[in-house]
Amino acid sequence: ELKVEQNPLFLSMQEGKNYTIYCNYSTTSDRLYWYRQDPGKSLESLFVLLSNGAVKQEGRLMASLDTKARLSTLHITAAVHDLSATYFCAVAQKLVFGQGTRLTINP
Amino acid sequence: GAGVSQSPSNKVTEKGKDVELRCDPISGHTALYWYRQSLGQGLEFLIYFQGNSAPDKSGLPSDRFSAERTGGSVSTLTIQRTQQEDSAVYLCASSRLAGGFTDTQYFGPGTRLTVL
Repeated sequence: ELKVEQNPLFLSMQEGKNYTIYCNYSTTSDRLYWYRQDPGKSLESLFVLLSNGAVKQEGRLMASLDTKARLSTLHITAAVHDLSATYFCAVAQKLVFGQGTRLTINP
Repeated sequence: GAGVSQSPSNKVTEKGKDVELRCDPISGHTALYWYRQSLGQGLEFLIYFQGNSAPDKSGLPSDRFSAERTGGSVSTLTIQRTQQEDSAVYLCASSRLAGGFTDTQYFGPGTRLTVL
């Protein structure tokens, strides 16, 4: 059974700081997704990672994939308040989600 | 263009009643998925439609749950004899091509179901 684990589950940061969210999955998968969810809202697609070593960046967010380690990271650079949200990684076509990381960025 | 739409946005029902939830996928998307999100279980896959193929129902939690997709577009998720544990947000997603390199799933706003 495919399992996806994120850590940390809760993260409180100061603006301007850098941090990384980790996503581990238990069995081989050829794709990994990162989504963002704001309170009371649906899921917004951030990144799709399709191959080992893939790296994608959008603004202050950068995602990478290591299929051999079954690990993806979401790196936040110089955080700003607008990035406060819950971030989910998901694996496989019938998406198996991690628990989500609730990110709070304080001024 | 228009995104995935779902209706109703909120549904409150009494235990034992049947409910129908609707999803309109993005035009041209051949794959359609249903998920649910609850505090206790997180985000869970329910069912998946791809074109005219038989749906993958492997995530449905019980035989009270069923779904259909008419004309390869609109989908309806039906829950019969609702129970309190069915309370959750039901999310629909669609993608242009399932299993391909352009299969990012785009999610609708969800239907919040509350079973009293």
